[in-house]
Amino acid sequence: QAVVTQEPSLTVSPGGTVTLTCGSSTGGVTSGHYPYWFQQKPGQAPRTLIYDTSNKHSWTPARFSGSLLGGKAALTLLGAQAEDEAAYYCLLSYGGTNWVFGGGTKLTVL
Amino acid sequence: EVQVVESGGGLVQPGRSLRLSCTTSGFTFGEHFVSWFRQAPGKGLEWVGFLASNIHGGTREYAASVKGRFSISRDDSRSIAFLQMNSLKTEDTAVYFCTCGNKLDFWGQGILVTVSS
Repeated sequence: QAVVTQEPSLTVSPGGTVTLTCGSSTGGVTSGHYPYWFQQKPGQAPRTLIYDTSNKHSWTPARFSGSLLGGKAALTLLGAQAEDEAAYYCLLSYGGTNWVFGGGTKLTVL
Repeated sequence: EVQVVESGGGLVQPGRSLRLSCTTSGFTFGEHFVSWFRQAPGKGLEWVGFLASNIHGGTREYAASVKGRFSISRDDSRSIAFLQMNSLKTEDTAVYFCTCGNKLDFWGQGILVTVSS
């Protein structure tokens, strides 16, 4: 079973920029892992922000973007707002038959 | 308005079965994948399995932790999906989320399943 790694916690200043990353124990993350990014606030269901590395849903704020960076999937938040404080999870697909989540990053806007 | 609502959760003894329902509206259910995820109390997210739409071949895949015990099905005529959970273990205790959409578009609010004697 592959292990997907994320930063346990990050802090960003209001208006600042932060990049969350998502790595794989099996090697570099590629578009073939179809990376997803989810936002989850306390007591709420997750919300899908990014799919297939960099595609956004209609509800995804423009300040969020997805990419591949240095062998990892990355979620960049440009111009952080207080409402962005949440847990962020990445999800990678392995062969289309096994999906594995990272442990999540708790993002603090402070 | 899109709605995805899970039901059927509750307290169940180890070894017993439970069936969760995922009732949907506001979109063309039959064209979309159904996926189930879970989140143990205070923990991260875990993929449980998915069922593709019939137009995508109706493929089913499950996580190793539930394979052979859990089964996903769907009734496109009623826009509803099911997660049949058999031989439940205490480690299956979690909030279960139903998600519909080919890109994990629409999430339900989740339903708590507690496996305990």
